[in-house]
Amino acid sequence: GAGVSQTPSNKVTEKGKYVELRCDPISGHTALYWYRQSLGQGPEFLIYFQGTGAADDSGLPNDRFFAVRPEGSVSTLKIQRTERGDSAVYLCASSSDRGSTGELFFGEGSRLTVL
Amino acid sequence: AQSVSQHNHHVILSEAASLELGCNYSYGGTVNLFWYVQYPGQHLQLLLKYFSGDPLVKGIKGFEAEFIKSKFSFNLRKPSVQWSDTAEYFCAVNAGLYSSASKIIFGSGTRLSIRP
Repeated sequence: GAGVSQTPSNKVTEKGKYVELRCDPISGHTALYWYRQSLGQGPEFLIYFQGTGAADDSGLPNDRFFAVRPEGSVSTLKIQRTERGDSAVYLCASSSDRGSTGELFFGEGSRLTVL
Repeated sequence: AQSVSQHNHHVILSEAASLELGCNYSYGGTVNLFWYVQYPGQHLQLLLKYFSGDPLVKGIKGFEAEFIKSKFSFNLRKPSVQWSDTAEYFCAVNAGLYSSASKIIFGSGTRLSIRP
C-alpha cells in the first residue's frame, strides 16, 4: 500500500481480555517499529523488527506484551490480560534501511481503551 | 541509554512571531537527530533530520534546526510562524551501532498553538 496501515483504528475492551493490533508496513520496508503514545506524551518505544526478527524489544513493559512479524512484512502486537493502564494509542512505523535515511513512516495508530 | 528532553510543553504565539523550540538529548556517542510534527488529526511525519555535516539543517515549511554538539542540543526554529503551524512537535534521537536502523527515542513533545 501507499502508507503504513494499522487495524483496528479503535478498540475498546474489558480488563483482562486479549487484544491483537495489526500493522501493515510500506511495501519493501524491512524495519518495523511499535510505539505507544499516551495523552500528552511522546511516542514510547516498544519493539523494533529488522526483517522477521526482533532486533530490540527492550521497550516492552512486561511479559503480557509481545509482537511477531513472521514473514518480515505484517506485524501483530499482542497484549494479554489487558489492564486499564494499557489504554493508549499504539503506533506502528516502518523504515527502509536501504540508503539509510532513518526516516520513520507512521501509521494512523490504533487507539486502545481498556475499561 | 539515550533520552530526549523537551522543556516547553505548550507554546502560544501570534502569527509572524519567531519560534524556537528546545531539545536536549543525552548520549555521548554519535547520534542522528530528528524533528517530527503531528498536525491535528494526522499522523506523525518527518520535519527534518541531522545525520552529519552542516549542523544547520533545513526542513520543510521553512523550519530549520541547529545541532550544537557541545550543548547536546538540537533546537527547532522558524523565523515567522503561520496559523497552519499549529501542531505537536517531537524531537527524537537515534543512537546505536547501526544507527540508521536502530530504535529512535522521542521526547515528550511541545504543543504549538498559533493565534491568527
